[in-house]
Amino acid sequence: EIVLTQSPALMAASPGEKVTITCSVSSSISSSNLHWYQQKSETSPKPWIYGTSNLASGVPVRFSGSGSGTSYSLTISSMEAEDAATYYCQQWSSYPRTFGGGTKLEIK
Amino acid sequence: QVQLQQPGAELVKPGAPVKLSCKASGYTFTSYWMNWVKQRPGRGLEWIGRIDPSDSETHYNQKFKDKATLTVDKSSSTAYIQLSSLTSEDSAVYYCAREGNRYFDYWGQGTTLTVSS
Repeated sequence: EIVLTQSPALMAASPGEKVTITCSVSSSISSSNLHWYQQKSETSPKPWIYGTSNLASGVPVRFSGSGSGTSYSLTISSMEAEDAATYYCQQWSSYPRTFGGGTKLEIK
Repeated sequence: QVQLQQPGAELVKPGAPVKLSCKASGYTFTSYWMNWVKQRPGRGLEWIGRIDPSDSETHYNQKFKDKATLTVDKSSSTAYIQLSSLTSEDSAVYYCAREGNRYFDYWGQGTTLTVSS
């Protein structure tokens, strides 16, 4: 089973601050198989970034994704209040599909 | 527009089974695999398995192999997950999620399952 480890687990950022969340993968995977989801309280996850760097429909351009092999990241160029949420990385490379433990991002 | 409709909540007694539903609309049901994901409070997301509605081929997370059974009803465009011998460990939110271009592109609102006597 491929294990995804996200860091940090919890963080807070001020409006306008740059934010980076990392996802470490236990076995190398193709970048096309790494995705990110956003989840806000009491709602279902939403696709956010797919294939490492492709923004899902409606995702603001201040978000970006990068990485390869075993190391991936999600970046927000300038934090906004609406970005406060939990972000999960997920791999599509092998069974079982697995998710990272999540990064809860709060606004300061 | 694509919609995956799930009941909001189910209350079931320990030891009993339950069958949760996910009614799809807005697309051709048989053209996309359907997945199920479990989320316990503060525990993140766990993939349970997937089913191809066109022929009912399934793939399961080994962890859920003896717990969950995935089925579909093509006539009503509905996917189901049956969970057996329920315990408190099964209390969670269960999401159905459509599989788009090798990622989960649409999610249901989730069913909160509570196992309690």
